[in-house]
Amino acid sequence: EDQVTQSPEALRLQEGESSSLNCSYTVSGLRGLFWYRQDPGKGPEFLFTLYSAGEEKEKERLKATLTKKESFLHITAPKPEDSATYLCAVQANFGNEKLTFGTGTRLTIIP
Amino acid sequence: DGGITQSPKYLFRKEGQNVTLSCEQNLNHDAMYWYRQDPGQGLRLIYYSQIVNDFQKGDIAEGYSVSREKKESFPLTVTSAQKNPTAFYLCASSPLDGTAYTEAFFGQGTRLTVV
Repeated sequence: EDQVTQSPEALRLQEGESSSLNCSYTVSGLRGLFWYRQDPGKGPEFLFTLYSAGEEKEKERLKATLTKKESFLHITAPKPEDSATYLCAVQANFGNEKLTFGTGTRLTIIP
Repeated sequence: DGGITQSPKYLFRKEGQNVTLSCEQNLNHDAMYWYRQDPGQGLRLIYYSQIVNDFQKGDIAEGYSVSREKKESFPLTVTSAQKNPTAFYLCASSPLDGTAYTEAFFGQGTRLTVV
């Protein structure tokens, strides 16, 4: 069974304090790993797709990386508007195309 | 603007009632999904559909039903058989990239509360 574990559950940072969020996964053949941002009471917003170990994607202050067992979402010099819950999901090569989600990391950036 | 529209945003259900949540997309995506989100849990798949007039059960389909009569629409009915329906419901769609469905794009959700 595919599994995704995100850590930490919650993270509080000062504005400008860089850090990383972790997504560990087990899947029977990875088709893709996805990062989403979710604001309270809203649907998840797509950020990145990573397909193979060594791949990196960047968007503004966010950079996602992928290894064979985990993915990191690096946040550089965050601003208060980066506060949100960040979700990680995996899609397996075999099966029903579904995404298996982690429980997310709730990130708070303090001004 | 292209996107996924869910309605209503808030829904209140009495015990024993069936309710239907609407999901419409104008992205021309083939695949559509329904997820349920509960506090402290990851999103869980209820049903999904890859083509019109066909759909499959996800991990937690009991007490739910769907239809896919049009490519753009994928309504979810929460029946009285669903024992704990209070949750945040999310509809999503994804495009077909070659032979695989890629990243899912989500609507803004419907919060269902049993009263």
